[in-house]
Amino acid sequence: KQEVTQIPAALSVPEGENLVLNCSFTDSAIYNLQWFRQDPGKGLTSLLLIQSSQREQTSGRLNASLDKSSGRSTLYIAASQPGDSATYLCAVAGYSGGGADGLTFGKGTHLIIQP
Amino acid sequence: DVKVTQSSRYLVKRTGEKVFLECVQDMDHENMFWYRQDPGLGLRLIYFSYDVKMKEKGDIPEGYSVSREKKERFSLILESASTNQTSMYLCASSYLPGQAYEQYFGPGTRLTVT
Repeated sequence: KQEVTQIPAALSVPEGENLVLNCSFTDSAIYNLQWFRQDPGKGLTSLLLIQSSQREQTSGRLNASLDKSSGRSTLYIAASQPGDSATYLCAVAGYSGGGADGLTFGKGTHLIIQP
Repeated sequence: DVKVTQSSRYLVKRTGEKVFLECVQDMDHENMFWYRQDPGLGLRLIYFSYDVKMKEKGDIPEGYSVSREKKERFSLILESASTNQTSMYLCASSYLPGQAYEQYFGPGTRLTVT
């Protein structure tokens, strides 16, 4: 059964720092990996999606990498801002008989950017 | 923009009631999903559907059922609500694999069962 782990569980850094959030998964047979952001009491906002054949994706100040063979992904946030404060979730899509499956989520990294 | 809407943001029900949570998407997505989110446990998949009238169990289907009569609508049913079903429920949709297969989430329904 797929398990997804995110480290650290919480992180507090001053504004302007570059930071890295880590995600690991136990089964490398994934369809893709998605990074989400969740603000308190809200739904999930998709940040980046990496297909299993890709190594990285970039969007603005965000860069996500994927090393499928070692079961790891990182989310790099450059020049952090207070508005980046949120919980960041990593999720992998596995396979079922008819195709890709639902997502298996990590428990998230709660990020606070201090002004 | 993809839009996934859920019928209620907050819902309070009594133990034993039959509860319907509704989800609608406007992007003609084939796949739809129901998850629940609990502190310390994260998000877990309850049920998903590849097509109209099709359903597949996720990791925690016990105590739930689903209905998909139309492509754009996916309902989660709590046959007899219990206090351990108090949770945040999130609906998502996506195209089939072979396309981007990016999941888009609704705003969530916070259900309290008393």
